[in-house]
Amino acid sequence: QKEVEQNSGPLSVPEGAIASLNCTYSDRGSQSFFWYRQYSGKSPELIMFIYSNGDKEDGRFTAQLNKASQYVSLLIRDSQPSDSATYLCAVLTRGYQKVTFGIGTKLQVIP
Amino acid sequence: DGGITQSPKYLFRKEGQNVTLSCEQNLNHDAMYWYRQDPGQGLRLIYYSQIVNDFQKGDIAEGYSVSREKKESFPLTVTSAQKNPTAFYLCASSTGTGFEKLFFGSGTQLSVL
Repeated sequence: QKEVEQNSGPLSVPEGAIASLNCTYSDRGSQSFFWYRQYSGKSPELIMFIYSNGDKEDGRFTAQLNKASQYVSLLIRDSQPSDSATYLCAVLTRGYQKVTFGIGTKLQVIP
Repeated sequence: DGGITQSPKYLFRKEGQNVTLSCEQNLNHDAMYWYRQDPGQGLRLIYYSQIVNDFQKGDIAEGYSVSREKKESFPLTVTSAQKNPTAFYLCASSTGTGFEKLFFGSGTQLSVL
């Protein structure tokens, strides 16, 4: 079992719709959870982080964490073509020893 | 402006050659990291350093070496022992000694001639 699992996609959504990206992790003691956005050929950029169970909202983005089920998700409301990118889920392991990344989900927003 | 600078943007390695990738940051961050990204495999940790003159191996350290003589600099050498070096290499830094929010450089694409 991979430590952090994501569907590689592509996930296609029409412009203006809600995009839902999901991630599961294996280490129940994981501390912190991050979502990075990566455009093709560019470096990842942190867009959301969440530490506690529940929802965290920042503009059009909402991160959701459920530690009991060991999943974290990212919702993008009113999706725009500029949101088309690969979204990487990252998990900070217990003891803050390292961050493990998923393979990323490619999102395509169709105009 | 503060940030992380990686150079060169593109690098070509001949067989048997060692090459060094540069990473410099002026964010005053204590921790620095090197990741490798291959298509479809996400980011994998090569080495990390939480303080000057100290560094630890990540998940795929074989064939690589690093140094951390200055807080601002964390160069990565890809040695001839790394048989499959073609990848996108990313340097990152974070504020604390833990792996908190990572700030990435623009990356170096390494290819084999």
